[in-house]
Amino acid sequence: SAVISQKPSRDICQRGTSLTIQCQVDSQVTMMFWYRQQPGQSLTLIATANQGSEATYESGFVIDKFPISRPNLTFSTLTVSNMSPEDSSIYLCSVIRGTYEQYFGPGTRLTVT
Amino acid sequence: AQTVTQSQPEMSVQEAETVTLSCTYDTSENNYYLFWYKQPPSRQMILVIRQEAYKQQNATENRFSVNFQKAAKSFSLKISDSQLGDTAMYFCAFKQGGSEKLVFGKGTKLTVNP
Repeated sequence: SAVISQKPSRDICQRGTSLTIQCQVDSQVTMMFWYRQQPGQSLTLIATANQGSEATYESGFVIDKFPISRPNLTFSTLTVSNMSPEDSSIYLCSVIRGTYEQYFGPGTRLTVT
Repeated sequence: AQTVTQSQPEMSVQEAETVTLSCTYDTSENNYYLFWYKQPPSRQMILVIRQEAYKQQNATENRFSVNFQKAAKSFSLKISDSQLGDTAMYFCAFKQGGSEKLVFGKGTKLTVNP
């Protein structure tokens, strides 16, 4: 497995502001993933972050709304920009360990008022 | 595009009994992987069990086992001797070979009753 930490664990933010979520892994990984889990829903992949290149976004997610940084092989940030109540979700990062298993961080619970 | 369907939004089971969670998926690929994840209330997502499509033998991890029916595109999870700590959301997930993207089902909320 992997030891993955996220900061903050939860936050309450006002509409129109931005929040940056941090994800730290205990050892180097090539790819890091960011997921969104809306209340009572399943997980949806937002983007894949590779070190040294631009993140790859899934359909329905854009860089202006969810900019991602990947400054090194153990760390990534996801920013949720210009937030609205619809952005209230749990945001999770994940990494691959072993051949193909993905392991998830504890998540950041975001509430936008 | 691949899809994953979990037809049971909620299930309950008595402690020490056995329960089976259903999952079906749709793909035209031959090389893929399937997973069951557990998400306890307000806690971290945990990988429970994995299955490679090319393996005929069903995966087993202690009290957790799968029934993988490739032709039927079915991947059910059996939990034996259910424990209170098994109470959680269970997500079935699909990964195509050569891709790192996981596609999740909508989840099944399992409650283990004392």
